[in-house]
Amino acid sequence: NAGVTQTPKFQVLKTGQSMTLQCAQDMNHNSMYWYRQDPGMGLRLIYYSASEGTTDKGEVPNGYNVSRLNKREFSLRLESAAPSQTSVYFCASSIGRTEKLFFGSGTQLSVL
Amino acid sequence: GESVGLHLPTLSVQEGDNSIINCAYSNSASDYFIWYKQESGKGPQFIIDIRSNMDKRQGQRVTVLLNKTVKHLSLQIAATQPGDSAVYFCAGGTEGGSYIPTFGRGTSLIVHP
Repeated sequence: NAGVTQTPKFQVLKTGQSMTLQCAQDMNHNSMYWYRQDPGMGLRLIYYSASEGTTDKGEVPNGYNVSRLNKREFSLRLESAAPSQTSVYFCASSIGRTEKLFFGSGTQLSVL
Repeated sequence: GESVGLHLPTLSVQEGDNSIINCAYSNSASDYFIWYKQESGKGPQFIIDIRSNMDKRQGQRVTVLLNKTVKHLSLQIAATQPGDSAVYFCAGGTEGGSYIPTFGRGTSLIVHP
């Protein structure tokens, strides 16, 4: 099984550009999450989807939007990228909200 | 919400020693905790979890201890190996409708051969 797959792995944007980070899981998990990780920091939750059809804000949602396209896919969109959004982004999934998370390999995003 | 944090940003040990990584949490209602290992360039991976009805749980070479009185948990790694070098995160929360996995900053474990 592939587990959690994120695309792209690397991306460079100019300030003001938009892009969508894609995430898909093949484990039939109900819950999906987007985290960002900055140097020396832990993972901070951006948005999550407890189940198909629902999304909720996490700790740092400003500047982002999400779409739970179906049970497998959960995308993260930056409408107008800012340098402060330079980070490593991780998608994760879990069977349910109170279970361990399975993470993708991350997207390294640089906004110039 | 929950706040979890590790005590030391970096821990250096010799190969073969036992390692202890500590974590504190703020919400006394928290009842589910997970330890993750993150190797360089990879996403975090599950190591072991513990629920608040337990004080101790053992896995392969790892043991997690939970002290609810002082809101503290620790991860013990026996006979530490170079492959254990990574950043370790604890995550905690409250089971139920409002559970959201919240991570601490991580402890970087460096294993010297």
